[in-house]
Amino acid sequence: DAGVIQSPRHEVTEMGQEVTLRCKPISGHDYLFWYRQTMMRGLELLIYFNNNVPIDDSGMPEDRFSAKMPNASFSTLKIQPSEPRDSAVYFCASTHSLGALHFGNGTRLTVT
Amino acid sequence: DAKTTQPNSMESNEEEPVHLPCNHSTISGTDYIHWYRQLPSQGPEYVIHGLTSNVNNRMASLAIAEDRKSSTLILHRATLRDAAVYYCILRPEDAGGTSYGKLTFGQGTILTVHP
Repeated sequence: DAGVIQSPRHEVTEMGQEVTLRCKPISGHDYLFWYRQTMMRGLELLIYFNNNVPIDDSGMPEDRFSAKMPNASFSTLKIQPSEPRDSAVYFCASTHSLGALHFGNGTRLTVT
Repeated sequence: DAKTTQPNSMESNEEEPVHLPCNHSTISGTDYIHWYRQLPSQGPEYVIHGLTSNVNNRMASLAIAEDRKSSTLILHRATLRDAAVYYCILRPEDAGGTSYGKLTFGQGTILTVHP
């Protein structure tokens, strides 16, 4: 199994631009989580899905952030417009029926 | 959501046992205790979880207090590769609850292993 696959690994963009982060969960997993990690705030849960349906998005910082899961094998996290304070490592994770969470390698986002 | 309290940092010597404590005095009956760790420049990885009974796997052991208000992750023989941030997390598994399945990380314990 290839594990959770995130793309891109690194993203550098200018303030105001749209950023789209992508995640392919492990096949057969029915839960998908998006996290953000910074030195100041640690690992923050942004949103999670069950069977492609968003369950809790209370961690999404503001309306500039949106996440979708159009099917069981793909999810996106979009930031529009991006700001320097969005610079962080974004992790996607998946699990089957609340078993162990499997994390991807993350996307390191830098907004200048 | 129920909270956990962990020491900010701990140190150990290689090949010695390490006991990482976690307090969770507001734990509910349907909260599972999960432990994850994060090695430098990597995503978190699952270590172990339990509900009431002590648990063992190839990575570690989890000792859960009888009243479930605290737990201890035990690494039987620390290696340099075990240097990481260790997170103790409560996961609600009440299917009728609004936080079902939610996994919220705290600040964790930074474990340093000396050769």
